[in-house]
Amino acid sequence: DIVLTQSPALAVSLGQRATISCRASQSVSISRYNLMHWYQQKPGQQPKLLIYRASNLASGIPARFSGSGSGTDFTLTINPVQADDIATYYCQQSRESPPWTFGGGTKLELK
Amino acid sequence: EVQLVESGGGLVQPGRSMKLSCAASGFTFNNYDMAWVCQAPKKGLEWVATISYDGSSTYYRDSVKGRFTISRDNAKSTLYLQMDSLRSEDTATYYCARNKLSFFDYWGQGVMVTVSS
Repeated sequence: DIVLTQSPALAVSLGQRATISCRASQSVSISRYNLMHWYQQKPGQQPKLLIYRASNLASGIPARFSGSGSGTDFTLTINPVQADDIATYYCQQSRESPPWTFGGGTKLELK
Repeated sequence: EVQLVESGGGLVQPGRSMKLSCAASGFTFNNYDMAWVCQAPKKGLEWVATISYDGSSTYYRDSVKGRFTISRDNAKSTLYLQMDSLRSEDTATYYCARNKLSFFDYWGQGVMVTVSS
């Protein structure tokens, strides 16, 4: 199974840039497709899709969210961070599935 | 508007069974694969099972193979998860999710399953 590794937490100031990383144990890219996706989960709520296939913004997601990366290293960027963005962020791969695997999550906190 | 509404959770003793349901609306249910994803208390997300749009193919994580069964009724736009031989480590919130291509684009609000004596 492909293992996805995320830092447990990241502290950021409002109005600044947040960069959340996700590293895969093997490449999750096939040809021009980068099969990494990002979700946001606020306390007590269900996850919400933010970014699909590494860099595509999901419907209704603000443009301050962006994604990049290929191969084994991927990044979710939030710029500028707003108070409503305080949440836990998960990456998920679909290069080898099943199983579809998730990273352990990065909790975005305020400095 | 896409809506996924789970039901059927609660407290169950180890070794017993429980069946979860997920009522879907706002989209053509039989055009999409569907999935269950769980989240143990204070833990991360774990994919549990996926079923193809027509029910012909099913996939499970290793820890639930032989114990859980995913199914669907396209006429009722409803997804199910039959959970047998439940263990304490199955305690989690279970989310129903639309499995679009390779990602999960809509999620239900989740239903809590507690396995305890």
